[in-house]
Amino acid sequence: GAGVSQSPSNKVTEKGKDVELRCDPISGHTALYWYRQSLGQGLEFLIYFQGNSAPDKSGLPSDRFSAERTGGSVSTLTIQRTQQEDSAVYLCASSLTRQGVDTQYFGPGTRLTVL
Amino acid sequence: AQSVTQLGSHVSVSEGALVLLRCNYSSSVPPYLFWYVQYPNQGLQLLLKYTSAATLVKGINGFEAEFKKSETSFHLTKPSAHMSDAAEYFCAVNGNQGGKLIFGQGTELSVKP
Repeated sequence: GAGVSQSPSNKVTEKGKDVELRCDPISGHTALYWYRQSLGQGLEFLIYFQGNSAPDKSGLPSDRFSAERTGGSVSTLTIQRTQQEDSAVYLCASSLTRQGVDTQYFGPGTRLTVL
Repeated sequence: AQSVTQLGSHVSVSEGALVLLRCNYSSSVPPYLFWYVQYPNQGLQLLLKYTSAATLVKGINGFEAEFKKSETSFHLTKPSAHMSDAAEYFCAVNGNQGGKLIFGQGTELSVKP
């Protein structure tokens, strides 16, 4: 079946602009995760959603970052007033449930460049 | 609290040689451990995972890893490297309550002809 998809694959923006990154998880997966991959920081957790529970936002680096998941499926990560340090690859993953044993399946990522 | 340490940010082997990528973890709860591979400009692909069913775990592409609780290690091995194995490898840990994966810093594997 289809895997996790993300759009756009690449995004170039100017400092101070807002951006939206989209993630389509695997159908039927109740848990959805956002991670950020950058040269200096490696792979960092940002936020995750599990069913109708309140999301775990503990990894969001600032209040410029927010995310929502509509209808328990598609998720959008929004970065307001982008800064150069936001340049990174943003990875989305989904898993059947949030249990630790469940495999997280990753999308191809969105490469964000802030000029 | 959980953490993962991957020893060696770059490892280079010759084609046909043994591949050994090191991963040590710290976890206050029984861990679930994962190895992912990332090819250039792609997402992460699961190689294998430890779920406590067996300490020696076999994965895709001929890779395997052994969970050693006494050493808090989960090293990744492959008997004979192929050129196609050149990629970045990430070790990650999760706990019973699930949620976020904690990743190591990654090891870039190069394979020389």
